[in-house]
Amino acid sequence: DTAVSQTPKYLVTQMGNDKSIKCEQNLGHDTMYWYKQDSKKFLKIMFSYNNKELIINETVPNRFSPKSPDKAHLNLHINSLELGDSAVYFCASSRETTTYEQYFGPGTRLTVT
Amino acid sequence: SQQGEEDPQALSIQEGENATMNCSYKTSINNLQWYRQNSGRGLVHLILIRSNEREKHSGRLRVTLDTSKKSSSLLITASRAADTASYFCATEQLFQGAQKLVFGQGTRLTINP
Repeated sequence: DTAVSQTPKYLVTQMGNDKSIKCEQNLGHDTMYWYKQDSKKFLKIMFSYNNKELIINETVPNRFSPKSPDKAHLNLHINSLELGDSAVYFCASSRETTTYEQYFGPGTRLTVT
Repeated sequence: SQQGEEDPQALSIQEGENATMNCSYKTSINNLQWYRQNSGRGLVHLILIRSNEREKHSGRLRVTLDTSKKSSSLLITASRAADTASYFCATEQLFQGAQKLVFGQGTRLTINP
């Protein structure tokens, strides 16, 4: 059973398009995250949700809009895609917001052409 | 927030040897975590060490934490080919009233058979 799953695994799209990435966790965790990993492997948090409420919003363009319909899901919608959005996006979850390990999904490789 | 720095950026050793990776950070932390990332995969949690702990073991892994020097090390003993991966340290820091993980840029470890 996959603990944290993401779809799609690969996403190739053109500049200006709108796309969504879905994430689901079956661990019963309260907290979910979105991270962006750039080509140099630098991993940076974008958003964090706890019990469907946004608790961390790192300095991210408002073209990125996360949505958490329930505790097990955290989706990421990106409007007006730009070349610089090309990266691997990881969803993660943890039991609570602090002092717990995080479980990562397999990642979604987004390529904007 | 300050990003952790790992040293070395890349390490190549022979199977059976020990591998040591270092991490430095700049702010006060609640805990420090180490993660492994195999190529094309998500991150996997290895070990968490709290700020009041100095050393922790898990199987072939040994982690130390020196809060006075703001540094940590990860030692992998008796390395195996399967240990080939990138290793990241992550410090838990307070941000917008919530805790977040700040990742270093990782050490790329290659184990040669």
